[in-house]
Amino acid sequence: QVQLVQSGAEVKKPGASVKVSCKTSGYMFIGYFVHWVRQAPGQGLEWMGWINPNSGGTNYAQRFQGRVTMTRDTSISTSYMELSGLTPDDTAVYYCARDINNNNEDWFDPWGQGTLVTVSS
Amino acid sequence: SYELTQPPSVSVSPGQTARITCSGDALPKKFAYWYQQKSGQAPVLVIYEDSRRPSGIPERFSGSSSGTMATLTISGAQVEDEADYYCYSTDSNGDHRVFGGGTKLTVL
Repeated sequence: QVQLVQSGAEVKKPGASVKVSCKTSGYMFIGYFVHWVRQAPGQGLEWMGWINPNSGGTNYAQRFQGRVTMTRDTSISTSYMELSGLTPDDTAVYYCARDINNNNEDWFDPWGQGTLVTVSS
Repeated sequence: SYELTQPPSVSVSPGQTARITCSGDALPKKFAYWYQQKSGQAPVLVIYEDSRRPSGIPERFSGSSSGTMATLTISGAQVEDEADYYCYSTDSNGDHRVFGGGTKLTVL
């Protein structure tokens, strides 16, 4: 079955960077975009961007441009999301999710289990 | 920026019908998608393309859309349906991917 398994929780200091991994299995990795979505404690879902594992092309939400970098390693079917310049407001659970595309629209299914990133001095 | 608006909370008794709405200006042109998120878990897709149900999702979950409003309906809600529900869609250009603010469904 399709699975996305993320790396473990991280604690970072303000100003640092964090890199979260998302290892996929059960499908052809290069055939589907991977999205990243975050959720601050007690808050809603926020889309961060996607990566095309085939080409490495990316599309980031405007508010994260300049701070987020999404990459992939096709040899191990894994996507990565790196966020720099961390502040306490970046404390959140970060999810990866596989893209599903039809009729020129896309959505996310399934999702990884989430990675808690805590930013604290 | 584009926004989708959901009520913060909906409450029903077990066996009743729960309806959760999502309003957005681009919904006449774009599909709505619905995710269920139980406490401490990742979101799960329950409705895609306004009204289609993924395999494994109970038949009591249905979706519809009319004009600028999409609706998730849970017919005969059960205690295990208690969760946060998020709608998702894009603006008319497909440039901005957004989630609604989420609706907490209470079944008791």
